[in-house]
Amino acid sequence: DSGVTQTPKHLITATGQRVTLRCSPRSGDLSVYWYQQSLDQGLQFLIQYYNGEERAKGNILERFSAQQFPDLHSELNLSSLELGDSALYFCASSVGAGVYNEQFFGPGTRLTVL
Amino acid sequence: AQSVSQHNHHVILSEAASLELGCNYSYGGTVNLFWYVQYPGQHLQLLLKYFSGDPLVKGIKGFEAEFIKSKFSFNLRKPSVQWSDTAEYFCAVNARTDKLIFGTGTRLQVFP
Repeated sequence: DSGVTQTPKHLITATGQRVTLRCSPRSGDLSVYWYQQSLDQGLQFLIQYYNGEERAKGNILERFSAQQFPDLHSELNLSSLELGDSALYFCASSVGAGVYNEQFFGPGTRLTVL
Repeated sequence: AQSVSQHNHHVILSEAASLELGCNYSYGGTVNLFWYVQYPGQHLQLLLKYFSGDPLVKGIKGFEAEFIKSKFSFNLRKPSVQWSDTAEYFCAVNARTDKLIFGTGTRLQVFP
């Protein structure tokens, strides 16, 4: 158990819908990262927040957005869902920001879009 | 752009066999290198990491990796695998930014 929690574990929804994935970082961690793992794209970085502010952005679609709240938990919002958005979404957290911070991964949310 | 290549997509070994998984990255500057493992149904766990210093890095569960700068490689090794090592292994790199760039992963199956 890494100490990072993600809810829900599984999510099944239809195309065109909107979902929210939630991540609670390890106690004391200020950075939260979101990654998408799909069969065709592998593990890809989406976005990072540090202490409530967006710090880095990767291959995140405009239909996707995220935020980090004052209690440091983060939510990833996916809208106008398409079949291709079906994937495992991982959240990771680290104590601080910077390249030397070890990232601890949560168990992931498996999203299935039908 | 940075990228990571893992050439072995699927490796099948018998218990007690030696393991070497290849990882090559493309980036000309200073990099930090990582190996993560994902056991079936579980989250990614860090096996080992290299930031600087001794290029031979020892990690958990008897794994080690060697950073060879001239070859842009960071291969993972284990002298004797066990059935419990069955998992997917990911090499990752970061450089200048916090985000991890992952390879496509290598699925390892170990048979008793």
